Amino acid sequence: QKEVEQNSGPLSVPEGAIASLNCTYSDRGSQSFFWYRQYSGKSPELIMSIYSNGDKEDGRFTAQLNKASQYVSLLIRDSQPSDSATYLCAVNWPSGAGSYQLTFGKGTKLSVIP
Amino acid sequence: GAVVSQHPSRVICKSGTSVKIECRSLDFQATTMFWYRQFPKQSLMLMATSNEGSKATYEQGVEKDKFLINHASLTLSTLTVTSAHPEDSSFYICSARDEGRNNQPQHFGDGTRLSIL
Repeated sequence: QKEVEQNSGPLSVPEGAIASLNCTYSDRGSQSFFWYRQYSGKSPELIMSIYSNGDKEDGRFTAQLNKASQYVSLLIRDSQPSDSATYLCAVNWPSGAGSYQLTFGKGTKLSVIP
Repeated sequence: GAVVSQHPSRVICKSGTSVKIECRSLDFQATTMFWYRQFPKQSLMLMATSNEGSKATYEQGVEKDKFLINHASLTLSTLTVTSAHPEDSSFYICSARDEGRNNQPQHFGDGTRLSIL
């Protein structure tokens, strides 16, 4: 059973602070990792992809991957109230014959306080 | 980027009605599409995996005769909620992945909010 674990939160941070969202996964064979943002009543939206160890930055977002520790995180700098949403971690792992299976965590709810 | 279109966005109908939801990949081919359901304030739950040209794979506890899935082409999957009842009211979301590019993320449609009276 492939598992992706996230703290459900809520995680509350003041406006302008750094929000740190964490995710661990069970399968060492996992090859790609994604963060989705889901606003209340809306469908998930892909915000970051990361495929190799280290950091990947995109604007105010930084994804960090440590395959040895089976850990992936998302940092949001200068958090804004508009960042308040549920953040889903998703992990891709090979399921055979060139196919991949994507497993989602249950999400962390982030609340940015003005 | 990859775009997934889902229609309708909202359905309100009487109990006993069957409702069809369409999911299209607009700029890529998808041999596999995914159907999720999400109740208010709960996590996304995978209902079934739709496979082009073959039967869908349903998750445990999901009734295949209740939720009919058809994946007739590489760009279209449909979910039909048969004889819907109030307990079927939920947010249904489809997703797809560009199968021509391995190891890629899923892209989601905008979802269908189903309300059964």
